[in-house]
Amino acid sequence: NAGVTQTPKFRVLKTGQSMTLLCAQDMNHEYMYWYRQDPGMGLRLIHYSVGEGTTAKGEVPDGYNVSRLKKQNFLLGLESAAPSQTSVYFCASRRTGENTEAFFGQGTRLTVV
Amino acid sequence: GNSVTQMEGPVTLSEEAFLTINCTYTATGYPSLFWYVQYPGEGLQLLLKATKADDKGSNKGFEATYRKETTSFHLEKGSVQVSDSAVYFCALSLTTSYDKVIFGPGTSLSVIP
Repeated sequence: NAGVTQTPKFRVLKTGQSMTLLCAQDMNHEYMYWYRQDPGMGLRLIHYSVGEGTTAKGEVPDGYNVSRLKKQNFLLGLESAAPSQTSVYFCASRRTGENTEAFFGQGTRLTVV
Repeated sequence: GNSVTQMEGPVTLSEEAFLTINCTYTATGYPSLFWYVQYPGEGLQLLLKATKADDKGSNKGFEATYRKETTSFHLEKGSVQVSDSAVYFCALSLTTSYDKVIFGPGTSLSVIP
């Protein structure tokens, strides 16, 4: 059982380039999330999805877009990367319900130069 | 609004010392409370949880009690090991908006032999 898988694990982008981060989960979870983790800032929610075909903004959505065309996949896109988007990105998924556990991927370390 | 506050780190302890990491929360409604742990280079994973007042969550020698009167969920361990070195995140989810999980900023723990 793979759980939550993120690709790629590492990436270096030049300012202005675009890329897509892929998150895949095999647990049939309804909810999926994208967070960024920066030193001293903890985890900040970028976008999330409560089901296939739905997405919503988190607390730091600017500069990112997402899509959830299939239940098991949640894509995070950067259309024009900026150095401020240098971060570690984590995807997570959960079953529905208020006390369910979130399962996290291993993270993607992105550097924008 | 809803939020989680944790004691600032980093925390450095000697092996076999007693650990307390403080966590307090602000929430409308009745949250479920969680502690997640992030080992170096990995994603977060659930350590323990409690879903109602006076519940005690426990796992791997760690414990935390849901205190509604003080809105707290402090993490404790009687004797830490070097392998406990990690970042610890307190988190909550709400019955009124359980599609989201709100994380604290994290507390870094280093245990030295």
